[in-house]
Amino acid sequence: AQSVAQPEDQVNVAEGNPLTVKCTYSVSGNPYLFWYVQYPNRGLQFLLKYITGDNLVKGSYGFEAEFNKSQTSFHLKKPSALVSDSALYYCAVGEIGNTGKLIFGQGTTLQVKP
Amino acid sequence: ETGVTQTPRHLVMGMTNKKSLKCEQHLGHNAMYWYKQSAKKPLELMFVYSLEERVENNSVPSRFSPECPNSSHLFLHLHTLQPEDSALYLCASSQAASVAYEQYFGPGTRLTVT
Repeated sequence: AQSVAQPEDQVNVAEGNPLTVKCTYSVSGNPYLFWYVQYPNRGLQFLLKYITGDNLVKGSYGFEAEFNKSQTSFHLKKPSALVSDSALYYCAVGEIGNTGKLIFGQGTTLQVKP
Repeated sequence: ETGVTQTPRHLVMGMTNKKSLKCEQHLGHNAMYWYKQSAKKPLELMFVYSLEERVENNSVPSRFSPECPNSSHLFLHLHTLQPEDSALYLCASSQAASVAYEQYFGPGTRLTVT
């Protein structure tokens, strides 16, 4: 069975510092990995995805994520955090062959302080 | 932001009421999804439709009844709900019902069952 773990409920960083939001996954086949962001009172917005190819994936708003097969991880990173990055971040995993079904992690709240 | 719209944004209903949630996507996508987002829990996939055909029912109780009259519209009919059904209900769409495609989410309907 597929599963996703986001081990941190909340990540606090100072503006201008690098940020990392952690995600580990478990699937039986090749994973399709996603990061989404949710701002208050809004739906989820797609940030980036990994399907195949380069392990470093670049996405929206300067975010990137690194796929590590041996550690089954897909951590979200940004070199310099902005206060406006403060939001709820979700990692999700899916397997090819299923009907668009994604398994989401519990979410990590990112708080960027000025 | 306006690619996927949901109405109403807020709904309060009694346990004996019947109501419907509406979702419309303006992206030309062929797949649509219903998710439930409860506090402190990961997003739960409820239903997936591909070209108006239901392709996934994630063990959802029969008091939730989806309807997809065409590829742009998705409804969730609600009847005799329980207080634990109170949650944010999110609609999403994607190019096709496959994990290879990112999903685009609406802002959600905040449902309160009294």
